[in-house]
Amino acid sequence: DAGVTQSPTHLIKTRGQQVTLRCSPKSGHDTVSWYQQALGQGPQFIFQYYEEEERQRGNFPDRFSGHQFPNYSSELNVNALLLGDSALYLCASSLFGGRVDGELFFGEGSRLTVL
Amino acid sequence: RKEVEQDPGPFNVPEGATVAFNCTYSNSASQSFFWYRQDCRKEPKLLMSVYSSGNEDGRFTAQLNRASQYISLLIRDSKLSDSATYLCVVAASGSARQLTFGSGTQLTVLP
Repeated sequence: DAGVTQSPTHLIKTRGQQVTLRCSPKSGHDTVSWYQQALGQGPQFIFQYYEEEERQRGNFPDRFSGHQFPNYSSELNVNALLLGDSALYLCASSLFGGRVDGELFFGEGSRLTVL
Repeated sequence: RKEVEQDPGPFNVPEGATVAFNCTYSNSASQSFFWYRQDCRKEPKLLMSVYSSGNEDGRFTAQLNRASQYISLLIRDSKLSDSATYLCVVAASGSARQLTFGSGTQLTVLP
């Protein structure tokens, strides 16, 4: 049973560039959430996708956008990269409508460095 | 003020010690509460959910006080393998698991 998979695991970009991160949810899950974790901080919620639509969004600018595909996989896009976007980007999958205290399963993350 | 605040740590304790972590949250509409564990450069993993009645899982005990908006985690008989960062997490009502994380408390258990 495949867990949550993310790619790439590491990448380096320069300011102003654009990046796309990818996530495949755990088998049987239909909802993907993205989190940003800066060094020494807890993860911060970016947005959540279900049925190919953005359902909830955290306090992130429009430079952060996403997409969900019919197979439930998802992409996170960040445009016009800033130094402050350097972080670990975590994808979490879950089953929409499941128990509120149901577990989120996280991928190992994509570590983005912006120079 | 952060929505979820935790002890800053780090905590360095000897094997076999008992250690307690505290956490407060500001959103009174919060419905679900969790402790996640994150090993160095790894993803967060659910340690346990936290219920008003308190709950225990082996050496780990979690408590919730809704009136004080306070959550705690107690680890008894610490093991070297308990070394990690412990994240206090809350979810608001109807949030479909939009989680708000604290900054985490780093624990190092020393031999």
